[in-house]
Amino acid sequence: QVQLVESGGGVVQPGRSLRLSCAASGFTFSSNGMHWVRQAPGKGLEWVSIVWYDGSKEYYAESVKGRFTISRDNSKNTVSLQMDSLRAEDTAVYYCVRDVGWNLAYWGQGTLVSVSS
Amino acid sequence: QSALTQPASVSGSPGQSITISCTGTSSDIGSYNYVTWYQQHPGKAPKVMICDVSNRPSGVSDRFSGSKSGNTASLTISGLQAEDEADYYCSSYTTSSTWVFGGGTKLTVL
Repeated sequence: QVQLVESGGGVVQPGRSLRLSCAASGFTFSSNGMHWVRQAPGKGLEWVSIVWYDGSKEYYAESVKGRFTISRDNSKNTVSLQMDSLRAEDTAVYYCVRDVGWNLAYWGQGTLVSVSS
Repeated sequence: QSALTQPASVSGSPGQSITISCTGTSSDIGSYNYVTWYQQHPGKAPKVMICDVSNRPSGVSDRFSGSKSGNTASLTISGLQAEDEADYYCSSYTTSSTWVFGGGTKLTVL
């Protein structure tokens, strides 16, 4: 079965960096785009970024463009999110999501990022 | 990209039907049939209930159905059950090659 396991969350000071990782299994990882979606405490879902199946293209939400970088390693079945210049408003649970036909189809359990001094 | 518009809350009694709307623009819902609906219980990850506007993934009850007209998508839940009480979100692919979510709708089963 599809498994997506996020890691790397934690508490970080404003302006610092954090790198999230997602380990995928149970499907042909190199065949699907992979997203990151976040959810601030008590708030709704916010799409963050996608990397295409082969890593050739990346797209970002305006709120993170220029600060976050998504990448993938198809040899290790992992997708990462490098988050720089973090702000308090980046505090959220970050979900790794597998794309199937432009639908956000399979979700991990999420990892909590808290940006606080 | 502005968020899709959903009602903040809806409610219904057990056995009744409810519909949640999700309004976008010609740059998202109006341009593609890549509308997905999610159910989220407190403290849990979202679960896909409907994809591609109206397709139910395997294992999802046929009490859940989706449709679209113009720039508005809808999720209908028939035969409401207590376990349907949750937050529901819609999302759509956009012409900017990004995705956008609705603000979420809290469903209360009375």
